[in-house]
Amino acid sequence: GQNIDQPTEMTATEGAIVQINCTYQTSGFNGLFWYQQHAGEAPTFLSYNVLDGLEEKGRFSSFLSRSKGYSYLLLKELQMKDSASYLCAVRDSNYQLIWGAGTKLIIKP
Amino acid sequence: IAGITQAPTSQILAAGRRMTLRCTQDMRHNAMYWYRQDLGLGLRLIHYSNTAGTTGKGEVPDGYSVSRANTDDFPLTLASAVPSQTSVYFCASSDGGGATDTQYFGPGTRLTVL
Repeated sequence: GQNIDQPTEMTATEGAIVQINCTYQTSGFNGLFWYQQHAGEAPTFLSYNVLDGLEEKGRFSSFLSRSKGYSYLLLKELQMKDSASYLCAVRDSNYQLIWGAGTKLIIKP
Repeated sequence: IAGITQAPTSQILAAGRRMTLRCTQDMRHNAMYWYRQDLGLGLRLIHYSNTAGTTGKGEVPDGYSVSRANTDDFPLTLASAVPSQTSVYFCASSDGGGATDTQYFGPGTRLTVL
């Protein structure tokens, strides 16, 4: 079966750096997405990786290793507004997105 | 530009009743999707449409039906609601082409079936 694994919850301090990991086993691979979802709101797109390596976008970076079935989202200079759930999703061979359950990130002052 | 709108925002429904969740996008996206989100689980695809006039089944289609009469609208119907369909429902759309084909989500409908 297809599987996306991420930690359920993480806690970090304002101003610090946090890394959220995602491992996947899917039938085929056509890209990996990270979304942010604040409580009670819709998911919003953060990043997309299809080739190995690091993609940087301001305070957020996303890394992919296809051979290891692994990605991480790196958040720098954490702000209170970064408290949210972070969803990892993989596009499979049918071009459908398979979603992880999400990582709830709690930022403490 | 509104993006994607969903209606209603929330609904409490008696089991056995029929319900249609509405979804409209103004981005002229070809592809549209319906997901449900339950606590502790990832988003699960119910149905999708790659273009107007076509639909397909996702991971959890049983008990749901969709139609795509035009580009903008993609309603989801529960023919006879059951308590296990209590969930938050998200509609999404994407342009259906290009390398990224990012999905953009509506605000969601919170449905409770009693």
